[in-house]
Amino acid sequence: NAGVTQTPKFQVLKTGQSMTLQCAQDMNHEYMSWYRQDPGMGLRLIHYSVGAGITDQGEVPNGYNVSRSTTEDFPLRLLSAAPSQTSVYFCASTNNRGNTEAFFGQGTRLTVV
Amino acid sequence: EDQVTQSPEALRLQEGESSSLNCSYTVSGLRGLFWYRQDPGKGPEFLFTLYSAGEEKEKERLKATLTKKESFLHITAPKPEDSATYLCAAFSGGYNKLIFGAGTRLAVHP
Repeated sequence: NAGVTQTPKFQVLKTGQSMTLQCAQDMNHEYMSWYRQDPGMGLRLIHYSVGAGITDQGEVPNGYNVSRSTTEDFPLRLLSAAPSQTSVYFCASTNNRGNTEAFFGQGTRLTVV
Repeated sequence: EDQVTQSPEALRLQEGESSSLNCSYTVSGLRGLFWYRQDPGKGPEFLFTLYSAGEEKEKERLKATLTKKESFLHITAPKPEDSATYLCAAFSGGYNKLIFGAGTRLAVHP
């Protein structure tokens, strides 16, 4: 009973490097989303998807790309890492249209130096 | 602009000392008000969903209520294991997004 799985758990990048944060869910949920969590600012929505092939921007999308080729996977790509992207990233999946219980992964702690 | 504000930022209680956390929201087309608990180093864990003003839900020592402008999370006779950050979130039907508040850090001391 895996739920939402995020990899990696920790990552250190140099400024300008690119990488992909992986997120997979095994609950057949349509709605998936990516958040970043910074001290004192709560969770801020980066991108979300209401189903395979459909993505949309959240509050803080700049510097990030997403795609949704399958229902199960929703990877987040950092195009050219910057120190301002140092944060903890959470992936979540939700049944229906997003307004029911969201299941979160354990998070990826990213440091950009 | 959709917004969710939680207060206080931090709360320290003695074991058994009841209190309430506040979540005020301004959201277009509210389609659900959520409470989550987050322990250090972990992802948020679902507690409650409220869909309409006047609705109440309970779970052990926690009770969540909803009005047209705010929600309260009441904690009755808390125990040290209730220490965590409590997050409030509102689902905006107008923008199809879940918007989080900054959270309340609760510490319950024996």
